[in-house]
Amino acid sequence: EAGVTQFPSHSVIEKGQTVTLRCDPISGHDNLYWYRRVMGKEIKFLLHFVKESKQDESGMPNNRFLAERTGGTYSTLKVQPAELEDSGVYFCASSQFTGANSPLHFGNGTRLTVT
Amino acid sequence: DQQVKQNSPSLSVQEGRISILNCDYTNSMFDYFLWYKKYPAEGPTFLISISSIKDKNEDGRFTVFLNKSAKHLSLHIVPSQPGDSAVYFCAASVGGDDKIIFGKGTRLHILP
Repeated sequence: EAGVTQFPSHSVIEKGQTVTLRCDPISGHDNLYWYRRVMGKEIKFLLHFVKESKQDESGMPNNRFLAERTGGTYSTLKVQPAELEDSGVYFCASSQFTGANSPLHFGNGTRLTVT
Repeated sequence: DQQVKQNSPSLSVQEGRISILNCDYTNSMFDYFLWYKKYPAEGPTFLISISSIKDKNEDGRFTVFLNKSAKHLSLHIVPSQPGDSAVYFCAASVGGDDKIIFGKGTRLHILP
């Protein structure tokens, strides 16, 4: 089966610009998550979708970040306007079920650099 | 405030020997713990997990030990192989909560 795919793999933008990251989860996985890793730090939870609904968005840093999952398939994460501190690797993950017995499957991430 | 702590940023181990990666946590509500492995330019991949009702879980060369009283877990890899060189993330969750909390990771180098 195809894994979680993320696009683009890298993005370099200037402060104040807008960037949209895309994630295609594993087919049939209702649960989709966004995480972020700032250089050298922990991988931090951003939000969780169940199908098209936001189950938990407590990790979203501020209102410059907007995540959508229209139709419950792929998801986008938009950063507008981007700031320097938004630089990092953004990981998307999916799982078939919720809870402890359904480990997350991660994509390879999008490395975002804001200059 | 970090709830999952991996205090060793890196670890070097001779091939064939045992690798021991450590992890401490502060939230006593955590009841499920996981280890993920990450290669450069790839996403983390699930390695092994343990529920708080157990103190040990083994899968091939990988064993995770949980000491709840000390709020400490460790991952043992025996014997260590070159392909084990990667960053290992300790992670935890509460009651099957889907918000998994990760540590900063430990970079493991397996020396020839």
